[in-house]
Amino acid sequence: DAKTTQPTSMDCAEGRAANLPCNHSTISGNEYVYWYRQIHSQGPQYIIHGLKNNETNEMASLIITEDRKSSTLILPHATLRDTAVYYCIVRVDYGGATNKLIFGTGTLLAVQP
Amino acid sequence: KAGVTQTPRYLIKTRGQQVTLSCSPISGHRSVSWYQQTPGQGLQFLFEYFSETQRNKGNFPGRFSGRQFSNSRSEMNVSTLELGDSALYLCASSTRAGDSGANVLTFGAGSRLTVL
Repeated sequence: DAKTTQPTSMDCAEGRAANLPCNHSTISGNEYVYWYRQIHSQGPQYIIHGLKNNETNEMASLIITEDRKSSTLILPHATLRDTAVYYCIVRVDYGGATNKLIFGTGTLLAVQP
Repeated sequence: KAGVTQTPRYLIKTRGQQVTLSCSPISGHRSVSWYQQTPGQGLQFLFEYFSETQRNKGNFPGRFSGRQFSNSRSEMNVSTLELGDSALYLCASSTRAGDSGANVLTFGAGSRLTVL
């Protein structure tokens, strides 16, 4: 079972920031938080990942709470092309880890014009 | 550089037949993982290969099998197809095995299988 909980769907106005929450209350100390998104009928696309510090790249920012029990993915200026299902995944990145990702149901972000 | 290439993109089979799907990873990527996506079960892990060795397998029946070649290309096979095998089959590649630090998977566009 997925170790994360996300809202089923969210709306966002084009040009505004989209803030997608994720709860991972049972996360272990060696587990990273990864975000992927899937645009309809395409393969998932990596967005960003982090361990405990906030992270930013050209696509998004990831804010992880101090207790690491939740995180928020921020798309600073959402466009219609950002409409997709967003998956929050926790996984171990060392010590016998594999590339198995456990996907939950994700959040369908609908960016409205 | 070229992304992950999956072939065929679409195919239709009938119950009882078998199917082979192919995945060419990004050049230099040695790890290949396979996932099945259905409306009812979502994205589920099938198996993972690194340097021609299966490292992990998901909870699927033995009708689902895979292999990886020396050039890192991978194939998966489903025998005795059932209606429930209709799905989008996704392949993902990465540079390292999962236990070598933070690792990003790059997914292909998938092979959409319809079983009639």
